[in-house]
Amino acid sequence: AQKVTQAQTEISVVEKEDVTLDCVYETRDTTYYLFWYKQPPSGELVFLIRRNSFDEQNEISGRYSWNFQKSTSSFNFTITASQVVDSAVYFCALSGGSQGNLIFGKGTKLSVKP
Amino acid sequence: ETGVTQSPTHLIKTRGQQVTLRCSSQSGHNTVSWYQQALGQGPQFIFQYYREEENGRGNFPPRFSGLQFPNYSSELNVNALELDDSALYLCASSQGQARLFGPGTRLTVL
Repeated sequence: AQKVTQAQTEISVVEKEDVTLDCVYETRDTTYYLFWYKQPPSGELVFLIRRNSFDEQNEISGRYSWNFQKSTSSFNFTITASQVVDSAVYFCALSGGSQGNLIFGKGTKLSVKP
Repeated sequence: ETGVTQSPTHLIKTRGQQVTLRCSSQSGHNTVSWYQQALGQGPQFIFQYYREEENGRGNFPPRFSGLQFPNYSSELNVNALELDDSALYLCASSQGQARLFGPGTRLTVL
């Protein structure tokens, strides 16, 4: 069975702090994709990143970075120098198998205080 | 890009009623999937349509049904509404692994 676990339900930081959101996944597929989405209060899911299972290179995009480690089945997301606008719920998701649908974690609510 | 649109934005129904939610796809995307997101939870996969045929379904009862039209827009129908159907319903259009979500329809069942 496929599963995504985001153990951190809520995180609160002060602006300019760095914060890491954890994601652990389970799958028996050899080919799969991992995603991170941001969901602001408006509700729309905003795509942040997609990685395939064959590409373990870490990625940096501005203040965002992602650490993919197959050995520990983890795909963690770090925000450097957090800002109030980063406040949202962040979801990690897994796609694989015959249907290709997304399996989401329960999300981590990030609050960045000024 | 035209994006993915959903209608209506909000909807209030009573238990036992039926509801239809609509989704228009991103231009060029031939696959539409629907997700239910209960309060405080991650989205759950309902089903997926590819070229007007259902080609994947999550753990949802048959009273959740759908359609995809030749222009790749889609409908989600829910019969015999239950209180637990209250949720945000998200539609996503995709072409391969390129997936775009709509803003969602918030359904409240009283």
